[in-house]
Amino acid sequence: KAGVTQTPRYLIKTRGQQVTLSCSPISGHRSVSWYQQTPGQGLQFLFEYFSETQRNKGNFPGRFSGRQFSNSRSEMNVSTLELGDSALYLCASRPTSGSGGELFFGEGSRLTVL
Amino acid sequence: AQSVAQPEDQVNVAEGNPLTVKCTYSVSGNPYLFWYVQYPNRGLQFLLKYITGDNLVKGSYGFEAEFNKSQTSFHLKKPSALVSDSALYFCAVRAGYSSASKIIFGSGTRLSIRP
Repeated sequence: KAGVTQTPRYLIKTRGQQVTLSCSPISGHRSVSWYQQTPGQGLQFLFEYFSETQRNKGNFPGRFSGRQFSNSRSEMNVSTLELGDSALYLCASRPTSGSGGELFFGEGSRLTVL
Repeated sequence: AQSVAQPEDQVNVAEGNPLTVKCTYSVSGNPYLFWYVQYPNRGLQFLLKYITGDNLVKGSYGFEAEFNKSQTSFHLKKPSALVSDSALYFCAVRAGYSSASKIIFGSGTRLSIRP
C-alpha cells in the first residue's frame, strides 16, 4: 500500500503570497489531519477533515484553510504569508474504524517564507 | 481540554544503557496514547500505542511504554539503547471516547545516544 504523499516537498515564497499544499492519504483512509511543525512550537494541530467536512480545528488564524475532496485527497491553503509561517507542514491520515486510529504521516512540505 | 507534556527537551544516553523518555497527559475519559519517532527531514513514524489492556505495551525497534493511570504517564523505554535510536520522539494523546477526537502531540524530546 502506498503511504501518505505530500506535494510539494519544498517551496519558497515571499511575504504576502499564498500557498497551497496537497496531501494524498493512504488508500481507504477517510480522515486527513494537518499539523504545523516549527522548532519553537513543536507540532501544532491545524485541522482534520473527514468525508469532505472539517471535523476538528486548531487555534490558527483564518489565513489557514483546508478542504477535502471526494477521493479523500486534501489541500491546505495559507494566504497572505508571514515570516512566521515558515515551517514543516505535515499531513497524516488514519483509518476511522477499529484499530485505535493511529496517524500515518507523510514526509511533509517544508515552506520557507522570505 | 486534552494536553500532553514531555518535560525533557533532550535526553542523553550511552549506547547499551537503558533509556526512558517521559510523557504525562491530561484528558477527559479514557486516553488513547501514542509514541512517534521522527528522523531528520522525515515525517513521523508510529512506534506504539496504548488503548486498553496490559499497561506495558511493546512496539517497533524494541521500544516499549508503560501506561500508569494514577500518575497519568506513558513513558517510553528501551532496555539497551542503540546509536541509531537517536531521533526526535513525540508522545500524543486522544480522548478515547470518540474516534472524532483530535490527536494532540507533546513538544518532543530529542534523544541522543553516544557510542
